Amino acid sequence: SAVISQKPSRDICQRGTSLTIQCQVDSQVTMMFWYRQQPGQSLTLIATANQGSEATYESGFVIDKFPISRPNLTFSTLTVSNMSPEDSSIYLCSARTGNTGELFFGEGSRLTVL
Amino acid sequence: KQEVTQIPAALSVPEGENLVLNCSFTDSAIYNLQWFRQDPGKGLTSLLLIQSSQREQTSGRLNASLDKSSGRSTLYIAASQPGDSATYLCAVRGGSQGNLIFGKGTKLSVKP
Repeated sequence: SAVISQKPSRDICQRGTSLTIQCQVDSQVTMMFWYRQQPGQSLTLIATANQGSEATYESGFVIDKFPISRPNLTFSTLTVSNMSPEDSSIYLCSARTGNTGELFFGEGSRLTVL
Repeated sequence: KQEVTQIPAALSVPEGENLVLNCSFTDSAIYNLQWFRQDPGKGLTSLLLIQSSQREQTSGRLNASLDKSSGRSTLYIAASQPGDSATYLCAVRGGSQGNLIFGKGTKLSVKP
């Protein structure tokens, strides 16, 4: 299994600002992902964080809005840029272990944009 | 395009009852299926992972089954407890490098 720590756990932000969420895994993992969960909705994949190269974004998500870094096999960041109230969501980091392919999640970062 | 549906959307049961949560998916060519639990405002906790070659997995009071040909999975919870109250999410993965596609979840409430 993998234990995933995210910070901040929650934040209230002003419109037009940017916030970076950090994700730390307690072991080296093959793949890391960022998901968004809007109020009352299920999870939507934002992007796959690739170690040492640019992230792979899903349809509807772009690098300018959600820049992602993954400098090593245990750490990743997601930035939500130029925030608007529509960005108010829970952002979740996840990691997949190599042996079983099971996906583990962090506790999430709840962002409220005023 | 894979779609995952969970029925019912919400369920309320008295403590001690056995219950079944349902998950269906449109494309039977899956790599694996995973059940998660999510408490309000929190992240997801992995409950059970079923590989495509498996029929079921058990962990404590939880048992998950998989019928790939019919595109269905069930999560059976025995002797439910108030602490089981949460939203239960089903997700399927389409290939070894595929991403998880999530259902919208079943919100379970177990009344003391």
